[in-house]
Amino acid sequence: GEDVEQSLFLSVREGDSSVINCTYTDSSSTYLYWYKQEPGAGLQLLTYIFSNMDMKQDQRLTVLLNKKDKHLSLRIADTQTGDSAIYFCAENSGGGADGLTFGKGTHLIIQP
Amino acid sequence: NAGVTQTPKFQVLKTGQSMTLQCAQDMNHNSMYWYRQDPGMGLRLIYYSASEGTTDKGEVPNGYNVSRLNKREFSLRLESAAPSQTSVYFCASAKTGSYGYTFGSGTRLTVV
Repeated sequence: GEDVEQSLFLSVREGDSSVINCTYTDSSSTYLYWYKQEPGAGLQLLTYIFSNMDMKQDQRLTVLLNKKDKHLSLRIADTQTGDSAIYFCAENSGGGADGLTFGKGTHLIIQP
Repeated sequence: NAGVTQTPKFQVLKTGQSMTLQCAQDMNHNSMYWYRQDPGMGLRLIYYSASEGTTDKGEVPNGYNVSRLNKREFSLRLESAAPSQTSVYFCASAKTGSYGYTFGSGTRLTVV
């Protein structure tokens, strides 16, 4: 079945850039997503990228997609304490209705 | 702008008790989903409903049943709760084939 892999933790200094990486196995993924979850809260859609794109930028967020290597990354520029959260990578196989497959999530820890 | 509404937000059950988690969406979405989130496991799909009148098993369906009551509502039932079902449950909805998955704020369930 489909699989989405992420590292569990990332620690960065405030003001630096954070890069969170994700690999996936399903070559039919239509959309790839990044969700943010703050402690005790639900999932907030940060950004998504369509599989025929290789980059998407939205203010401090940059998503890079390498479809050949099935590798997705999320770069957060000028990381702030408010960025401390769990970040989930997810994919939607073929754009169908059978739901998203999530990675286990990356805890982003901000050092002062 | 309610989006996806889940009730209750918190629940404590004794082993063997039953309960139904409710979910309703007001975005006229075709597809609805139930996920569970456990520490270090990401979100795993329990059941989904691609359209009104259909339901399908996801990755972890054992111990659960679902009902798609109408286009708006999708409920999750635990017939005989077990401690292994202690988790945070998220409902989501989507317009089939689009990128837009919307999540509810979650139900935190503890089975003692």
